[in-house]
Amino acid sequence: QKEVEQDPGPLSVPEGAIVSLNCTYSNSAFQYFMWYRQYSRKGPELLMYTYSSGNKEDGRFTAQVDKSSKYISLFIRDSQPSDSATYLCAMRGLTGANNLFFGTGTRLTVIP
Amino acid sequence: GAGVSQSPSNKVTEKGKDVELRCDPISGHTALYWYRQRLGQGLEFLIYFQGNSAPDKSGLPSDRFSAERTGESVSTLTIQRTQQEDSAVYLCASSPTGSYNEQFFGPGTRLTVL
Repeated sequence: QKEVEQDPGPLSVPEGAIVSLNCTYSNSAFQYFMWYRQYSRKGPELLMYTYSSGNKEDGRFTAQVDKSSKYISLFIRDSQPSDSATYLCAMRGLTGANNLFFGTGTRLTVIP
Repeated sequence: GAGVSQSPSNKVTEKGKDVELRCDPISGHTALYWYRQRLGQGLEFLIYFQGNSAPDKSGLPSDRFSAERTGESVSTLTIQRTQQEDSAVYLCASSPTGSYNEQFFGPGTRLTVL
């Protein structure tokens, strides 16, 4: 079983839709949960991260962590064509900078 | 300021040849990471450098892979006797000391082994 599972999509939504992206994980030691966005032919860039369970909001983006279910989500409100990218979840435990585990990424297309 | 840069952006090589990939991290970033991203796969950790400490090589898939870093500057990833399964995008990232969650990635080197 992979440490982190993520539906690769692709996911296509109309402009203005609410997008829900999700990951599940198996390691209960994970404490930090990140979402990276990767445009085509570019490196990933950090969107936001959360520590432990709960929600975090940043503009149109909301990250949600449910540690009891080992399930994390990223919601994008009022989606824009510029949001079209691959979204990767990543997570790690309290120690070990190198122990960052990534999902495979979900490819999102927002149609104008 | 300048971000992480990598060269070459694309590399096509023949099976059995050696390749060298270069990463220039953001100035002042003490931590440097190499990842491999195969088509349809998540980022796979390869190696981690932190300042002058011994690197964590636990992610290197075989002894054909090696990496070096000079102080807190440039890093090179070398793949000897390349195989077709080495075809992937190789991503380098750097981060300031202690900032483990936010890694700043370069654009990657797309390696194709024929």
